[in-house]
Amino acid sequence: GESVGLHLPTLSVQEGDNSIINCAYSNSASDYFIWYKQESGKGPQFIIDIRSNMDKRQGQRVTVLLNKTVKHLSLQIAATQPGDSAVYFCAEKGADENQGGKLIFGQGTELSVKP
Amino acid sequence: DTGVSQDPRHKITKRGQNVTFRCDPISEHNRLYWYRQTLGQGPEFLTYFQNEAQLEKSRLLSDRFSAERPKGSFSTLEIQRTEQGDSAMYLCASSPRGGRPQYFGPGTRLLVL
Repeated sequence: GESVGLHLPTLSVQEGDNSIINCAYSNSASDYFIWYKQESGKGPQFIIDIRSNMDKRQGQRVTVLLNKTVKHLSLQIAATQPGDSAVYFCAEKGADENQGGKLIFGQGTELSVKP
Repeated sequence: DTGVSQDPRHKITKRGQNVTFRCDPISEHNRLYWYRQTLGQGPEFLTYFQNEAQLEKSRLLSDRFSAERPKGSFSTLEIQRTEQGDSAMYLCASSPRGGRPQYFGPGTRLLVL
């Protein structure tokens, strides 16, 4: 769905703890999902992606979980570090060719890591 | 640096002026995308190219906006007769064949006075 409002959901964690950032997507026909990290004044940075034929995918310190039944996506960050502080966006891409190549972004979550 | 580059990084203009932004994608990426992002929001899709062909345009892309990718490499986004509501971060992304994933550039921040 489209982002609304100017107030981002926030998540505050202690350094070293695990973080879980959640995202609800809108289109049950979407077949590809992706997470980005965006620091202030910078462009979104690719973190990890997952196709709809998978439930879980792991990267370095990050795991993405996909629950198609409830249209829910989550990003888990292990041993969160101060450098992880940023806004995190999930995005989806439809399987329908008529939707072209565009990503549809969800509302971001601001992650704050306390040292 | 072999990432997506954008120029300029910042642009301040007066209402009614025309502005043009440039995007250089990652080498050999055949898809190029333009998005717009306002404060506190996620990026919103504007248009995308596969090679030099513009395949999709969002309804957000009014007739004052035009994008080109003449040789299938760099792209330009022009805004004519700028309005204050055009103030935003304009992001470019590129992707390899298959379209996944999209890698973003640093953006061009536009302020229309």
